[in-house]
Amino acid sequence: DADVTQTPRNRITKTGKRIMLECSQTKGHDRMYWYRQDPGLGLRLIYYSFDVKDINKGEISDGYSVSRQAQAKFSLSLESAIPNQTALYFCATEGADGNTIYFGEGSWLTVV
Amino acid sequence: DAKTTQPTSMDCAEGRAANLPCNHSTISGNEYVYWYRQIHSQGPQYIIHGLKNNETNEMASLIITEDRKSSTLILPHATLRDTAVYYCIVSQISGGYQKVTFGTGTKLQVIP
Repeated sequence: DADVTQTPRNRITKTGKRIMLECSQTKGHDRMYWYRQDPGLGLRLIYYSFDVKDINKGEISDGYSVSRQAQAKFSLSLESAIPNQTALYFCATEGADGNTIYFGEGSWLTVV
Repeated sequence: DAKTTQPTSMDCAEGRAANLPCNHSTISGNEYVYWYRQIHSQGPQYIIHGLKNNETNEMASLIITEDRKSSTLILPHATLRDTAVYYCIVSQISGGYQKVTFGTGTKLQVIP
């Protein structure tokens, strides 16, 4: 089983719809991240959380919100999806003692 | 703000050493250099990290200059499976509350 699991792996949604991407981890890590990757580009940080009560905006948080329901769960929501949010989304975790970052397998989101 | 700069792309002949450079001229004393790679559209995977000494593991070697302003990731005998995007990042370890950001990386193409 994967240490970091993302659902759904693929989703096509319509403009204006609400969509949630879920992430769960079995690493026991406090730190979790959501990144977005556009074709041919690097990873851009959307939101990050250093513990259940700590939520922080990243580089490109506009149009997104997150929820840290538990240490193991960190969800990303698009309240009203728009086509330029079509991208590959990655969830990741990091140990509080500065361990390496573990990524999920990614969620492809297409907004039509 | 980008903390690292890397060439956009590089080619390497199969079986030869691949040397991927990274500049991190503003690195601070408590920041480590990390390397990750992303194969196709999978989640990035950890390769190696270091502070100021050269490091080697089963995947690669990391050479950090004495002034720590740059580093080189070395894949000693590149194979076709090493074709990927390689990310160099700087990150605190051991209690730091610094978010981890990625740039655009170097696309390494291993040529038969």
